[in-house]
Amino acid sequence: GAGVSQSPSNKVTEKGKDVELRCDPISGHTALYWYRQSLGQGLEFLIYFQGNSAPDKSGLPSDRFSAERTGGSVSTLTIQRTQQEDSAVYLCASSLAPLAGGSNTQYFGPGTRLTVL
Amino acid sequence: TQLLEQSPQFLSIQEGENLTVYCNSSSVFSSLQWYRQEPGEGPVLLVTVVTGGEVKKLKRLTFQFGDARKDSSLHITAAQTGDTGLYLCAGAGGTSYGKLTFGQGTILTVHP
Repeated sequence: GAGVSQSPSNKVTEKGKDVELRCDPISGHTALYWYRQSLGQGLEFLIYFQGNSAPDKSGLPSDRFSAERTGGSVSTLTIQRTQQEDSAVYLCASSLAPLAGGSNTQYFGPGTRLTVL
Repeated sequence: TQLLEQSPQFLSIQEGENLTVYCNSSSVFSSLQWYRQEPGEGPVLLVTVVTGGEVKKLKRLTFQFGDARKDSSLHITAAQTGDTGLYLCAGAGGTSYGKLTFGQGTILTVHP
């Protein structure tokens, strides 16, 4: 498909386990973003990759969270030693290179719903 | 830290009524976007406003960017049941351009 895809769509895990969430951005998009969304709420920024630049990790809530982007395309968000408060929908978005001044259209995937028991 | 306050958080109205959602900040944004999200899906962009005082119309939806580029509103005329969903405003700009700051969202329910 031409859109952003994420896998898995749902993930149930036990407290203390590690999880990996995957994002396939739109081909040609150099920017990739991860957000977290609690039920019916706004989006919390986690991390942002742009081309070969160092990622903006300012939104990661703790050192249990990390993300990488291989080959400028696919990205994986890893949460180590999951906690119940990590339960949320994790959304990935991609865009063309952001313009100076910040106006860009981000295209979102359907998200991964993470439940930590 | 840039923050966006969105109100109201919940809105429940009858079909045919009008409504307005507000997005306010003490920070200046270079642009502001409005998204709509349906259950189980990611947000979808409705509009981007860039110029202070700008007004954009999308059928029954009217978007306005404040003169100082700190606030925005979304007005829906004659709401329909298909308008039901989560509406999100998001501001761009600041020191890390490309990154969006989202409001808390407004859950709109339109009853037949």
